[in-house]
Order: sequence, then structure tokens, then C-alpha cells
Amino acid sequence: AQKVTQAQTEISVVEKEDVTLDCVYETRDTTYYLFWYKQPPSGELVFLIRRNSFDEQNEISGRYSWNFQKSTSSFNFTITASQVVDSAVYFCALSESTTDSWGKFQFGAGTQVVVTP
Amino acid sequence: DTAVSQTPKYLVTQMGNDKSIKCEQNLGHDTMYWYKQDSKKFLKIMFSYNNKELIINETVPNRFSPKSPDKAHLNLHINSLELGDSAVYFCASSQLQVGHEKLFFGSGTQLSVL
Repeated sequence: AQKVTQAQTEISVVEKEDVTLDCVYETRDTTYYLFWYKQPPSGELVFLIRRNSFDEQNEISGRYSWNFQKSTSSFNFTITASQVVDSAVYFCALSESTTDSWGKFQFGAGTQVVVTP
Repeated sequence: DTAVSQTPKYLVTQMGNDKSIKCEQNLGHDTMYWYKQDSKKFLKIMFSYNNKELIINETVPNRFSPKSPDKAHLNLHINSLELGDSAVYFCASSQLQVGHEKLFFGSGTQLSVL
């Protein structure tokens, strides 16, 4: 069963628009980590953020912000005032702490963001 | 200094051949991984080694055999290559202790089986 769901396959925006990427996860653990990674057209996987299950504070880093809500099992990512360089595939991932899942970073299917000038 | 390096970057080969991809990390991490990214960009874990011991072995054909000579290296050998093996293979490493979980990825190996 898919543990991380990114329902949006592709989002197209015009530069300077805001874009929000949804991520819904499923776990029975009380201790877990959530991540976002960026994969630009060049292909490398770039770490953006890690959030542990005990820290529900939202986070902002420049034009990026993250909204973690345990009540809805969501960890959404917003890019404010998008730029062409934001065009990439964005992955949400989950790392659980139970024995069966220990060390297994599980990724969502990714959301392709296309920003046009 | 590259943290996680894998070679080669591109690998083009014929069906039925055997090939290897090498991976090395200089981060001092205990755990290394192989992930496969298919043409739809889906990232699927294949294997993981922790201190040279296999800890994750997903449903992968036994034509794929990982080998970890030490905790800084995790190589992937593929026998009898098939068309469906064409994908990008990513090596990654992590330190699996509380507060340090995070995957560091190599730049990927684009495997094309003709």
C-alpha cells in the first residue's frame, strides 16, 4: 500500500504565482520523519526539508514554506512567487521507526511543477 | 568533495549482458541504499545495507545483487539485463540515528538496455 500520496501529477503556473503541493501520508508510528526533495531537470535529488512527527510548527525558508498537520496526515509545500528555476519534480517522503520499516525512506509519486515565464 | 558518488553516470548495454554500478560515500554513514527511478519518475527502494548487513530487500529480481565490501561502498551487480531494467539507479546513504535521518543521494546512473 502506498504510504505517501501526492495526488497532483503536474501543476503548471505562470511565474510569480504561488503553488502548493499536497502530500498525504499514512503511518501507525508515533515517531516518524517527513521530507521534501526536489529533482530539477538535471536529475539530481536535492534535500529541501525534514520534519519530525513531534514538531508541528510550520516552517518558512525564503520562498518555500511547509504546513505540517498531523490531524489530517498532511505535509504540504508552498512555493511563493514561483520562478522558472522552481520547475522540477518534487517528492514527499516518509521514514518510519518501526522494526519492519526502519531505515526505509518511502517516496510519493512526485509532482511535476512547470513554471512558465 | 562529492558526498555520495556513483559510477558510471551513463550505461548503455545490450540485453543479456551483465553490468555493475559502483557507489561510494565519504560521509561516514552506516546505511546505504539503492533506489530505482522508472520512466514515470517513481522512486522505489531496492536494497539497503547497514554496516555491511542487508536490512532491506524489496521485491527485486534475483538478477540484481548488491554487494557491500565495507560500510562506505555499496555496489549493484545486474545479471542478464532486460529491457525493463532501463531506468535511473540512485545510490544514497543515511545515518540512521534519532535526529539524523536524511537521505543523501548520488547523482544517478542512467541505465539503457537495448
